[in-house]
Amino acid sequence: DIQMTQSPSTLSASVGDRVTITCRASQSVSSWLAWYQQRPGKAPKVLIYEASNLGSGVPSRFSGSGSGTDFTLTINSLQPDDFATYYCQHYNSYPYTFGQGTKLEIK
Amino acid sequence: QVQLVQSGAEVKKPGASVKISCKASGYSFTIYYMHWVRQAPGQGLEWMGIINPIGGSTSYAQKFQGRVTMTRDTSTSTVYMELDSLRSEDTAVYYCARGVVPAAACDYWGQGTLVTVSS
Repeated sequence: DIQMTQSPSTLSASVGDRVTITCRASQSVSSWLAWYQQRPGKAPKVLIYEASNLGSGVPSRFSGSGSGTDFTLTINSLQPDDFATYYCQHYNSYPYTFGQGTKLEIK
Repeated sequence: QVQLVQSGAEVKKPGASVKISCKASGYSFTIYYMHWVRQAPGQGLEWMGIINPIGGSTSYAQKFQGRVTMTRDTSTSTVYMELDSLRSEDTAVYYCARGVVPAAACDYWGQGTLVTVSS
């Protein structure tokens, strides 16, 4: 199985900040990577697919980059709604594993 | 609009089985694959498997092989996930989520179904 490792596990930031979350795969997943946002008690929502494509209706302050084994999610100018938990997931080969999550907290 | 509506919360005893439904609407059911993902309390997301709505073929994570069965009913646009031999570690919220092809992100998710396993 491909292991996905996110860092950091927790991130403290303020409204207006720019933050970056990284995701590393244990082997190449090409560009078959998605980023999801999950708010407490809610289902995940796709932000980025195929590593760098913005999901439908997702604000342009979110962006993704990377390929192979190293990926990043960047959020520019943090908004109050952005404080949530973020997960990466590869869909290169079964099983489609998730990273352990990054909780973005208000500083 | 696209909706995935899951069945309600369940409480089960260890050793029992649970079967959760996910009814799709607002799109052509046979075009999208359906994934099942679970989340234990306070934990991360765990991919369980996927079903092809056209032929019903499935692929399960090794962890659940032999205990999980995913099926679909095209006449009602519903997919099902049955998990057998439940143990306390199976207590989680279970989500269905659709993807346009097997190798695709999940763009719509169900609301989640809480399964509690307790004696």
